[in-house]
Amino acid sequence: DQQVKQNSPSLSVQEGRISILNCDYTNSMFDYFLWYKKYPAEGPTFLISISSIKDKNEDGRFTVFLNKSAKHLSLHIVPSQPGDSAVYFCAASWAGANNLFFGTGTRLTVIP
Amino acid sequence: EAQVTQNPRYLITVTGKKLTVTCSQNMNHEYMSWYRQDPGLGLRQIYYSMNVEVTDKGDVPEGYKVSRKEKRNFPLILESPSPNQTSLYFCASSLRVLGPYEQYFGPGTRLTVT
Repeated sequence: DQQVKQNSPSLSVQEGRISILNCDYTNSMFDYFLWYKKYPAEGPTFLISISSIKDKNEDGRFTVFLNKSAKHLSLHIVPSQPGDSAVYFCAASWAGANNLFFGTGTRLTVIP
Repeated sequence: EAQVTQNPRYLITVTGKKLTVTCSQNMNHEYMSWYRQDPGLGLRQIYYSMNVEVTDKGDVPEGYKVSRKEKRNFPLILESPSPNQTSLYFCASSLRVLGPYEQYFGPGTRLTVT
């Protein structure tokens, strides 16, 4: 049973525009959420995270929004750049957990 | 340079031939883990280790073994590989043992079992 879901397998965006990647979760115990970015032939790398005590966290061009009541989070990339083209994984966990629960990933393509 | 290394990066083998994928980290992390990535399924945890000599099953442990004799190394062992273990494997490590953490991933090992 997939506890973290990314329903869009792929997304294409023009360079300079906003990219919005979505993630839904089902487990109410999750209180910490992360986004990882993965380029071909490389391992995932940590991008940005958010705790459930916040509803927004920003780091440069990347902002993550959390809507706890809807069990939904999103990653906004503004402005999108060709180098952002990668697969993005949403992940979730909670204090005391021994694992990260990953979504299935969304492939972002930024078109120059 | 802080990193997680895996070897080999690519491996093609036959059903039933035992193999080991090595994983090593140089960050003195307590926590290490193995994942497999399959199309449409994301990253699923195979085994994890909280510290030396402490290992436990993840979500998909069947057909795999691990050991943690040293802090830096966490090999993944397939005693009798089968075609359904054809996948992309990632080793990861983390400093925080309990609670949410940011894991550092190796570059991946692409395994094909024929």
